[in-house]
Amino acid sequence: AQTVTQSQPEMSVQEAETVTLSCTYDTSENNYYLFWYKQPPSRQMILVIRQEAYKQQNATENRFSVNFQKAAKSFSLKISDSQLGDTAMYFCAFMIGSGGSNYKLTFGKGTLLTVNP
Amino acid sequence: KAGVTQTPRYLIKTRGQQVTLSCSPISGHRSVSWYQQTPGQGLQFLFEYFSETQRNKGNFPGRFSGRQFSNSRSEMNVSTLELGDSALYLCASSPGQRTYEQYFGPGTRLTVT
Repeated sequence: AQTVTQSQPEMSVQEAETVTLSCTYDTSENNYYLFWYKQPPSRQMILVIRQEAYKQQNATENRFSVNFQKAAKSFSLKISDSQLGDTAMYFCAFMIGSGGSNYKLTFGKGTLLTVNP
Repeated sequence: KAGVTQTPRYLIKTRGQQVTLSCSPISGHRSVSWYQQTPGQGLQFLFEYFSETQRNKGNFPGRFSGRQFSNSRSEMNVSTLELGDSALYLCASSPGQRTYEQYFGPGTRLTVT
């Protein structure tokens, strides 16, 4: 079974600064996908970024980038130039890929990020 | 494209009753997944449907069931409600064929009293 661990229940950052959220996972699979989702207060879950395990290059989406360390089973999210709208719960998630996929996301417990003005 | 829609958004039920929640996926998406979100257990996978077939099921009792229609809309049903079923129920849609991103709806907040 796959597990996803987010060791930081809460974090805070000043507006315009950079923050990194940590995520580790455990799996025996070789083909999988990793995701970061954002859930703002009382609003719906939004996909922030995804990473395919077979790709060595780290994914980036505007101010959001990941540091994917496959051997260490680590998948951290870096948010640059933090904005007030980035305040949200961030979830790291895992899915088995390719022919073995069960199309099931396994989520971490989340990190509540607060961006302060 | 319109996003994933879920109805109703809020629901209050009494223990022992049953409830049906509805989800309309993004147009063209054939896969619909359901998740339960609670403060204690976090986000847990319920089941996933693709082209009217359940492809995968999470570790929930048989009181939780679902189905998918030919237009890809999905419903989930919870029978004999318990207090512990109070949760945010999230639906997510995906194209479903070797495309693994899931896009979530706003959820249905179910309160069981």
